[in-house]
Amino acid sequence: NAGVTQTPKFRILKIGQSMTLQCAQDMNHNYMYWYRQDPGMGLKLIYYSVGAGITDKGEVPNGYNVSRSTTEDFPLRLELAAPSQTSVYFCASSYSRQETQYFGPGTRLLVL
Amino acid sequence: QKEVEQDPGPLSVPEGAIVSLNCTYSNSAFQYFMWYRQYSRKGPELLMYTYSSGNKEDGRFTAQVDKSSKYISLFIRDSQPSDSATYLCAMRDAGGTSYGKLTFGQGTILTVHP
Repeated sequence: NAGVTQTPKFRILKIGQSMTLQCAQDMNHNYMYWYRQDPGMGLKLIYYSVGAGITDKGEVPNGYNVSRSTTEDFPLRLELAAPSQTSVYFCASSYSRQETQYFGPGTRLLVL
Repeated sequence: QKEVEQDPGPLSVPEGAIVSLNCTYSNSAFQYFMWYRQYSRKGPELLMYTYSSGNKEDGRFTAQVDKSSKYISLFIRDSQPSDSATYLCAMRDAGGTSYGKLTFGQGTILTVHP
């Protein structure tokens, strides 16, 4: 099992550009999550999904969008990049809401 | 006031020392408590998982939960340089939210020097 994979590892964006952060898991997990991690701030939930076709907002969803067309994939879309979106983004998955969340290796994003 | 408070450190200790990492929280609904370890430029990985109050031991690691004081701890015995990482506490309620929301502390940076 590869677990949770994320691409790209690192990206530099200009203000106003858009991009999609990819996340995939091969553990047949129903629940998937997107977090951002800023220095000294812990992890904040952006969006989550409880299954294919079902997504909802977390704590900090502004400026982001998600979709979940398959169990395996949960891409995060940034439409108009802003410097405030400079962060490290982690995708996670779990079998159910009570089970352990497994994290991917992260995508470092710099918006200039 | 943040729901979960964790001293960010950094904490620097010599090899072999006993390390104590702590978090306090304000939400009495939290029932499940976790410690994640995060190496530099990697994703968090689950280290310890406990339910309600009490102790749990796994090798050199002991997790303690005191719900009456809203205080959790992670102890590392005989610390090794390989324990150098950021340690994040996380917690959630008993299932009132539909998606298993985790609330994280800010993380404590630990360095164990030889």
